[in-house]
Amino acid sequence: GAVVSQHPSWVICKSGTSVKIECRSLDFQATTMFWYRQFPKQSLMLMATSNEGSKATYEQGVEKDKFLINHASLTLSTLTVTSAHPEDSSFYICSARLSASRFGETQYFGPGTRLLVL
Amino acid sequence: TQLLEQSPQFLSIQEGENLTVYCNSSSVFSSLQWYRQEPGEGPVLLVTVVTGGEVKKLKRLTFQFGDARKDSSLHITAAQPGDTGLYLCAGARNYGQNFVFGPGTRLSVLP
Repeated sequence: GAVVSQHPSWVICKSGTSVKIECRSLDFQATTMFWYRQFPKQSLMLMATSNEGSKATYEQGVEKDKFLINHASLTLSTLTVTSAHPEDSSFYICSARLSASRFGETQYFGPGTRLLVL
Repeated sequence: TQLLEQSPQFLSIQEGENLTVYCNSSSVFSSLQWYRQEPGEGPVLLVTVVTGGEVKKLKRLTFQFGDARKDSSLHITAAQPGDTGLYLCAGARNYGQNFVFGPGTRLSVLP
C-alpha cells in the first residue's frame, strides 16, 4: 500500500513555543491531506483538510491561527502548532487521500506524532 | 452526537475465540472503511466496502456492509493476540467527502 511518513515521531517542548510537524506521501501524489488529533483512548478527530495550493479547511472549533497548515506540494503538508500549551498535548496523525475509484477513495495514514507540551 | 456508533466499546477475549464488532449509523454511506490501530501508531486500512450487502474476507477477518449501507460488521475467527488493537470504522456519505470516524472498539486478545 501507499506510504505516508510523519516527522518528528515524538516532540517535547516548553509552553509557548511553536512546533512544526511534517507529513509526506512517499510514493504517490496527494492533492488532499488530512490532519487529525487523537487523545488517549479516544477516536480520531478531524482538525482540517489540506488541499495543495489552497487554504486549508478547518473543522468547527479548531483555531486556524493556532494550527497553521501549509500544503506547498503534492507530497508535503505541514502542521504548525503555534504557542503550544499543555492542553495541546496529543497524538497528531495525518493522512493522504488516494482516489482509487469513483466510490472507493482510500486514505493512508502516517504513523503519528506525539506532542507533549510542558 | 456521533454519526457512527461502534459496539462494543471494549472487548477482552481468549485466544481462539470468535468475535464480532459492529458499526452503526442512521445515515447512508457511499463507502465505509475499517482500520486497526495499535498503540502509538497510525491507523492501518483493513478494507473498504462500497456496495450494500457486500462481504469481504481478509484471512480470518470477514467484513460485511449492510444492505442499506448504514451499518457494517467485522467478524474475527479464532482470534490471536496479534489481533489486539483499536478497530475503527469510518464512513463517507458521498464521493469526495471526508471520512468520519467512529469511536472505535478496543479489542484485547489474551494468550
